[in-house]
Amino acid sequence: LQLQESGPGLVRPSETLSLTCSVSGDSINSRNYYWAWIRQPPGKGLEWIGNFYYSGSTKYNSSLRSRVAISADTPNNQFSLKLHSLTAADTAVYYCARLFRIASRPYWVDPWGQGTLVTVSS
Amino acid sequence: SYVLTQPPSVSVAPGQTARITCGGNSIGRKAVHWYQQRPGQAPVVVIYDDDNRPSGIPERISGSNSGNTATLTITRVEAGDEADYYCQVWDGIGDHVIFGGGTKLTVL
Repeated sequence: LQLQESGPGLVRPSETLSLTCSVSGDSINSRNYYWAWIRQPPGKGLEWIGNFYYSGSTKYNSSLRSRVAISADTPNNQFSLKLHSLTAADTAVYYCARLFRIASRPYWVDPWGQGTLVTVSS
Repeated sequence: SYVLTQPPSVSVAPGQTARITCGGNSIGRKAVHWYQQRPGQAPVVVIYDDDNRPSGIPERISGSNSGNTATLTITRVEAGDEADYYCQVWDGIGDHVIFGGGTKLTVL
């Protein structure tokens, strides 16, 4: 299984970030997993952004909920992240990842994509 | 919201045992997962569901979870174990995936 993020490396403040995660080796239609976005500001820790389930349901970090949307492109086995109204605080490495689902709950993350650095700057 | 607390750093000499803690309110009732992140790389799960090792992770790495503290233990520490380690749980009340702040393991 491999996940690969793609998208712009530089985005201007107040604009919208759009990232895509291409999944190979598994189907995002699987009922056994969630598909997640996680970010890491330079030199800092990990922050869960949100995740998508094949049924169409989504969950978001409450600190980002008003600005974020995760959606799926099932025919192409991809899922995407949109983050609006960007500020410098959104500068981070963005990872897409598979999140194991057990007893209808999120468990551990494996594997992770290699990550893509997004810089918010004018 | 649920908070996981890790020490910022742990230092240990080669061959010794490193213990990295992850504190949280009644964390013993939750499933805890641990990740290793080497510089410039994506995190990799080293322990899932408290004490389970994925294939390819050496037996030197183990996990435990009880009360208000989960612990990642690395015995016979090697230079290659130097990395950042993160714990993670699911907070059922807020329905959030939560990460600890991370611990930098330094091999002296």
